[in-house]
Amino acid sequence: EVVLTQSPATLSLSPGEGATLSCRASQSISNYLAWYQQKPGQAPRLLIYDTSNRATGVAARFSGSGSGTVFTLSIAYLESEDFAVYYCQQRSDWPYTFGQGTKVEIK
Amino acid sequence: QLQESGPGLMKPSETLSLTCTVSGGSMTNYYWTWIRQSPGKGLEWIGYIYYSGSTKYNSSLKSRVTISVDTSKNQFSLFLTSVTAADTAIYYCARLYNGIGYFEYWGQGILVTVS
Repeated sequence: EVVLTQSPATLSLSPGEGATLSCRASQSISNYLAWYQQKPGQAPRLLIYDTSNRATGVAARFSGSGSGTVFTLSIAYLESEDFAVYYCQQRSDWPYTFGQGTKVEIK
Repeated sequence: QLQESGPGLMKPSETLSLTCTVSGGSMTNYYWTWIRQSPGKGLEWIGYIYYSGSTKYNSSLKSRVTISVDTSKNQFSLFLTSVTAADTAIYYCARLYNGIGYFEYWGQGILVTVS
């Protein structure tokens, strides 16, 4: 099973600041990685798929990069609605697995 | 839209049965999946089913899980046998994105407690 490790666990930032979230895979997963955003009481929302492709309707301030075992989600500047928990997920190998999440909170 | 339904409270050793009703579109040509989320294990993919009935399950649950589909009712279902407290979680149904292993449309989730 591919283990995804996200860091940091919590990111405390102010609106307008940029954010960089990391996801490391226990083995190479090529570019088969997605990012999701989850707000309290809601289901996760697909943001980025295959490392760098934004899903429909996702703001351009969200971008993804990486390959192999190291991946990054970048938020160019934080809007109030971006404070949430972010998860990475791989589809390279069964079972599909998720990281444990990074909480982006208001500083 | 996807909407989960089923019992919120179960006893250990019972069989969990959840249904996801799909509205606003056809189930044809799509993969449909179940995912659960618990404080202890985080997000866990359970398995998926193609509209035609072929399935793939998470090996950690494979011996206990069955997913079925009824396209005439626009529904698919999850069955999980011999539940324990470790199966307490929010269960989500979702649709795979473009047939690849990401999850595009999600239901709101249903909390299932085993106690």
